Amino acid sequence: DGGITQSPKYLFRKEGQNVTLSCEQNLNHDAMYWYRQDPGQGLRLIYYSQIVNDFQKGDIAEGYSVSREKKESFPLTVTSAQKNPTAFYLCASSIASASYNEQFFGPGTRLTVL
Amino acid sequence: QKEVEQNSGPLSVPEGAIASLNCTYSDRGSQSFFWYRQYSGKSPELIMFIYSNGDKEDGRFTAQLNKASQYVSLLIRDSQPSDSATYLCAVKALGAGSYQLTFGKGTKLSVIP
Repeated sequence: DGGITQSPKYLFRKEGQNVTLSCEQNLNHDAMYWYRQDPGQGLRLIYYSQIVNDFQKGDIAEGYSVSREKKESFPLTVTSAQKNPTAFYLCASSIASASYNEQFFGPGTRLTVL
Repeated sequence: QKEVEQNSGPLSVPEGAIASLNCTYSDRGSQSFFWYRQYSGKSPELIMFIYSNGDKEDGRFTAQLNKASQYVSLLIRDSQPSDSATYLCAVKALGAGSYQLTFGKGTKLSVIP
């Protein structure tokens, strides 16, 4: 089955700790994205990548880092510099098209700071 | 700054009625428009997309786009309790390499049996 997987489903972080969220897709999509969703809020873009070994900051990149070493994988690290990391993190992917951009989401990771 | 506005709701409709969800956007250069359904605690699921002015129908869902008024809507006919969810409107700007979507905060729909 083609799709996007995210792990873990739930993650707990202690103060001052870095944590990494996994995102893998087998849809053969070139573009991948990380969003953050807070209660009652829309999705806010953290980082996106249109091609391997290249990525761009989104609207709220501070305190986060990413890598794109493989087409299928786009892990997100939440660093200790992110002061309010408790949120629902969503990974998405799409074909890299300037005209059409249907993005498909993984199941999400819910991060809680203890 | 690009903005996408939705009425947060909740919008309550009786089972079998038509639910009408609305979205306005600020960037006149927006090119593509998407509706996602998000059940509580789950990730968004793409249900409709529309690129041209007019209506696009898919089963019980109809997306309507009016670029002159910067307005996009989603109609759900014969609403079912299983349609109860938050509906997110998303907009993509025109431009090569511009793959970002801007999301509204969503409208919560409740279908009453």
